[in-house]
Amino acid sequence: QKEVEQNSGPLSVPEGAIASLNCTYSDRGSQSFFWYRQYSGKSPELIMFIYSNGDKEDGRFTAQLNKASQYVSLLIRDSQPSDSATYLCAVNVISGGYQKVTFGTGTKLQVIP
Amino acid sequence: DTGVSQNPRHKITKRGQNVTFRCDPISEHNRLYWYRQTLGQGPEFLTYFQNEAQLEKSRLLSDRFSAERPKGSFSTLEIQRTEQGDSAMYLCASSFLPGELFFGEGSRLTVL
Repeated sequence: QKEVEQNSGPLSVPEGAIASLNCTYSDRGSQSFFWYRQYSGKSPELIMFIYSNGDKEDGRFTAQLNKASQYVSLLIRDSQPSDSATYLCAVNVISGGYQKVTFGTGTKLQVIP
Repeated sequence: DTGVSQNPRHKITKRGQNVTFRCDPISEHNRLYWYRQTLGQGPEFLTYFQNEAQLEKSRLLSDRFSAERPKGSFSTLEIQRTEQGDSAMYLCASSFLPGELFFGEGSRLTVL
């Protein structure tokens, strides 16, 4: 089982719609959760992080975390063509002196004008 | 620009040669990470430093890979006896808070 799993997509949504991106993780010791956006040919950039169960909103983005189900999601409201990118889910596990940030394979999002 | 800096940006080498990449993190960040990424895949964890201490290294990493971070500042990643399968983008990231990574532009390695 992969440590962080995402559907590779592509996920296609029309401009103005809500895009929903999902991620599951296997390590119950995971403590913090992140969404990164990666444009083609560029490096990942952090767009959201969430540490506690529930929702966290930042502008058009909402991150959702359910630790019992080991599930993280990212909602993008009013999707724009500029949101077209690969979205990477990342999980941070800290245990004693051990720390590791693991990424999923990413979901490619295409916003159709 | 005070972001993460990586050099060289591109490296083409012949199989069997050694290569070294350098990463200069954001100055106030004490955490530094190395990842490898191939087309269509997410970043694959290689190693993690907190200050000068290498606290974690991927079990997937062969003995041909080594990383250092002397004095807790810049870091180097060396690959010895390169193989064609080492061709990838090597990403360095630094952070102040765990997991909130700031990535450099990467060093692309092509092994012929």
